[in-house]
Amino acid sequence: NAGVTQTPKFRILKIGQSMTLQCTQDMNHNYMYWYRQDPGMGLKLIYYSVGAGITDKGEVPNGYNVSRSTTEDFPLRLELAAPSQTSVYFCASSREGRGNQPQHFGDGTRLSIL
Amino acid sequence: QKEVEQNSGPLSVPEGAIASLNCTYSDRGSQSFFWYRQYSGKSPELIMFIYSNGDKEDGRFTAQLNKASQYVSLLIRDSQPSDSATYLCAVRTGLNTGFQKLVFGTGTRLLVSP
Repeated sequence: NAGVTQTPKFRILKIGQSMTLQCTQDMNHNYMYWYRQDPGMGLKLIYYSVGAGITDKGEVPNGYNVSRSTTEDFPLRLELAAPSQTSVYFCASSREGRGNQPQHFGDGTRLSIL
Repeated sequence: QKEVEQNSGPLSVPEGAIASLNCTYSDRGSQSFFWYRQYSGKSPELIMFIYSNGDKEDGRFTAQLNKASQYVSLLIRDSQPSDSATYLCAVRTGLNTGFQKLVFGTGTRLLVSP
């Protein structure tokens, strides 16, 4: 039972480079999320999606883009990487975005921008 | 005022003791409350959720909710060294329609000494 799978697990980027963080889930969840977690801080919502073709900004969307072409996949794109984007990125999914439905997290991607 | 506040700790307890983790939130309209455990370098994993005032027990874990005081807590009985982790409080805010964001506290680090 894979759940939420993120790739890569680690990545080092140079300033100005671009990359895509991959996220896929096999639980047929409608809702998917991208968070970043900085040391000693809580999880901050970057973007979320309520279904294929529908995405919306979270708390900290600047410098990122997302797409949701299928129920399973929710990639996060970093354009022109900056040192402030050094963080651990978590993808999560849930059956819906309200009530008691918990979010299930992937293992995270540790990203360093140098 | 932060939306969800937790003492960062560390909270140190001896093995076998009761660990009490606390969380306060600012949005009176909050409906659902979640406790996640996060081991160092790992992703958050759901321990419990609660949405009604009072206590909810699951094995060694008890979640307590007091909506009037805007306070939610997690008790861990018979604490074990394996319980040493950061515990994240998450609160689902907003009205009970449409998407409701999950707001995370910064977490309380628990250390259980043998």
